[in-house]
Amino acid sequence: GESVGLHLPTLSVQEGDNSIINCAYSNSASDYFIWYKQESGKGPQFIIDIRSNMDKRQGQRVTVLLNKTVKHLSLQIAATQPGDSAVYFCAENGRSNYQLIWGAGTKLIIKP
Amino acid sequence: NAGVTQTPKFQVLKTGQSMTLQCAQDMNHNSMYWYRQDPGMGLRLIYYSASEGTTDKGEVPNGYNVSRLNKREFSLRLESAAPSQTSVYFCASSNLAGGTDTQYFGPGTRLTVL
Repeated sequence: GESVGLHLPTLSVQEGDNSIINCAYSNSASDYFIWYKQESGKGPQFIIDIRSNMDKRQGQRVTVLLNKTVKHLSLQIAATQPGDSAVYFCAENGRSNYQLIWGAGTKLIIKP
Repeated sequence: NAGVTQTPKFQVLKTGQSMTLQCAQDMNHNSMYWYRQDPGMGLRLIYYSASEGTTDKGEVPNGYNVSRLNKREFSLRLESAAPSQTSVYFCASSNLAGGTDTQYFGPGTRLTVL
């Protein structure tokens, strides 16, 4: 069935280094992709999104890359800080304009 | 702006009891959503409301009902709670269709069914 998956359930990164979180998607009809950050005990918080007519989009310290050929999405966080510790979810819209398909999440751990 | 608010924050129910989770948004968004999140998993859509006056089933609607009371408020009701409904429930809203626009989430309701 349709699914969004993550390659690594846990990622440990040294403070100050760059983090790369990967996500595979299976539905070639998806044209909207989004990354959320969820801190412990809180609701998901929007980080960045990208549409299928783009390959790359940059925000503040974050970059999302979309490779439609291999159905791969990645989130890059520059100069990782302790406040970046969280679970990161990618999601795609599949064939729906209303329903997002969510991955299971990657936990980002920052080492001091 | 408070964004998306949810009440209650925590709730414990016994099997068979009913309850309603409340959600309100002050961003004048058209669409609203109810999700559940089980431990170590992503979010699964229960129901959504594309606009005031409409509701549609999501991925896991069984055991739930919803009401879009007005443009601001979207409630989720459990008529006869079951232990399988123990989860964290999130409400979200978006201006445009949520599969094409950013969804903004509330803080969640942590529900335990004994």
